[in-house]
Amino acid sequence: AQSVTQLGSHVSVSEGALVLLRCNYSSSVPPYLFWYVQYPNQGLQLLLKYTSAATLVKGINGFEAEFKKSETSFHLTKPSAHMSDAAEYFCAVRPRRTGKLIFGQGTTLQVKP
Amino acid sequence: DTAVSQTPKYLVTQMGNDKSIKCEQNLGHDTMYWYKQDSKKFLKIMFSYNNKELIINETVPNRFSPKSPDKAHLNLHINSLELGDSAVYFCASSQGFSGHLTYSNYGYTFGSGTRLTVV
Repeated sequence: AQSVTQLGSHVSVSEGALVLLRCNYSSSVPPYLFWYVQYPNQGLQLLLKYTSAATLVKGINGFEAEFKKSETSFHLTKPSAHMSDAAEYFCAVRPRRTGKLIFGQGTTLQVKP
Repeated sequence: DTAVSQTPKYLVTQMGNDKSIKCEQNLGHDTMYWYKQDSKKFLKIMFSYNNKELIINETVPNRFSPKSPDKAHLNLHINSLELGDSAVYFCASSQGFSGHLTYSNYGYTFGSGTRLTVV
């Protein structure tokens, strides 16, 4: 069965520092991959998605993610953290032959001034 | 202009009551979903409907009954509410299935959630 693992339930960075949130998937066939962000008391917003067009995917708010098949990873990065980036981030997979979006456990990003 | 709207946003009720949460999408999507987010923020799919047909039914107590009157609406009715039902429930939609063809490269669009508290 498809699964997705986010390493680190809590990540803390200083404002202006690099943000790196890790995501690994388990599948013999690369699924479609997504990153969502959830701000406090809000719904989930799509940050970016990998759909096999390009391995480096750019999203909203300066985030990007790189798909690495050899590492079964889809890590999310941002060169310089902003206070407004503090939120919960979810990696998700959607197998190519089903419609079910499966989420990782989530990573809380804290940004310190 | 809200793409996926849920009502109510907050719901506080006593154990044993029956309650409903409504969801509507105006994106023209053919598939809708209910997710439950627990206190540890874990998101788990509960149900999915494609063109009013139930296509995903995870291991959910049968006190939970989804209803889709048309492809733009998916409601969730919960009977005999229990303390453990307290969670945030999210509705979502996507362009999902069309016959045997899936549009899996589409993400989902989520509503803003309904926070259910059972006391």
